[in-house]
Amino acid sequence: DTEVTQTPKHLVMGMTNKKSLKCEQHMGHRAMYWYKQKAKKPPELMFVYSYEKLSINESVPSRFSPECPNSSLLNLHLHALQPEDSALYLCASSQARAGAQETQYFGPGTRLLVL
Amino acid sequence: AQSVAQPEDQVNVAEGNPLTVKCTYSVSGNPYLFWYVQYPNRGLQFLLKYITGDNLVKGSYGFEAEFNKSQTSFHLKKPSALVSDSALYFCAVRDPILTGGGNKLTFGTGTQLKVEL
Repeated sequence: DTEVTQTPKHLVMGMTNKKSLKCEQHMGHRAMYWYKQKAKKPPELMFVYSYEKLSINESVPSRFSPECPNSSLLNLHLHALQPEDSALYLCASSQARAGAQETQYFGPGTRLLVL
Repeated sequence: AQSVAQPEDQVNVAEGNPLTVKCTYSVSGNPYLFWYVQYPNRGLQFLLKYITGDNLVKGSYGFEAEFNKSQTSFHLKKPSALVSDSALYFCAVRDPILTGGGNKLTFGTGTQLKVEL
């Protein structure tokens, strides 16, 4: 099973709202990722968690706040977003072993619209 | 820095004909290369990867890719295209492994494949 699930599928929020995106995997992967993708463009890495610790933050604005409460779950908390933050947000997971050339498996994404 | 290039924004193929989606890479060290496909309003689906070994890699849905070290290419191929193969295809290269675990992918710009009847 190579399934990564994401909720919600769609989200519309105002610039003053607080919302959260959720990602879950049960493949035993210890690395999890958040990506942002604009239409017809490649995904852009935002955050990497490894063994539940944040290992990479790609200079993402603080209005995006990731959280990894356990090895299966990854959240992305959203606050005071801008219309330009509207995009498809993708979660992925992979093995985290150092030296591993493991595949990243992606979820279906959350389509976010900021009004 | 690692990079991949997909020189074609769009490839059009007739159903039943062979298809090729091109990718070239630039890496320091051994390349770890991947192909992903994205259908409209969906996440990325893994197709295949090259780590080491045979230059011809077989993947999902009848796709294969040929690794060519001298030409620094990793083209995606399928002998007989289907209309249902129409999608956005991304080539990616794995950056050097992260110290804390996990890996970082650098994606190409994507190639839209359109298969017509």
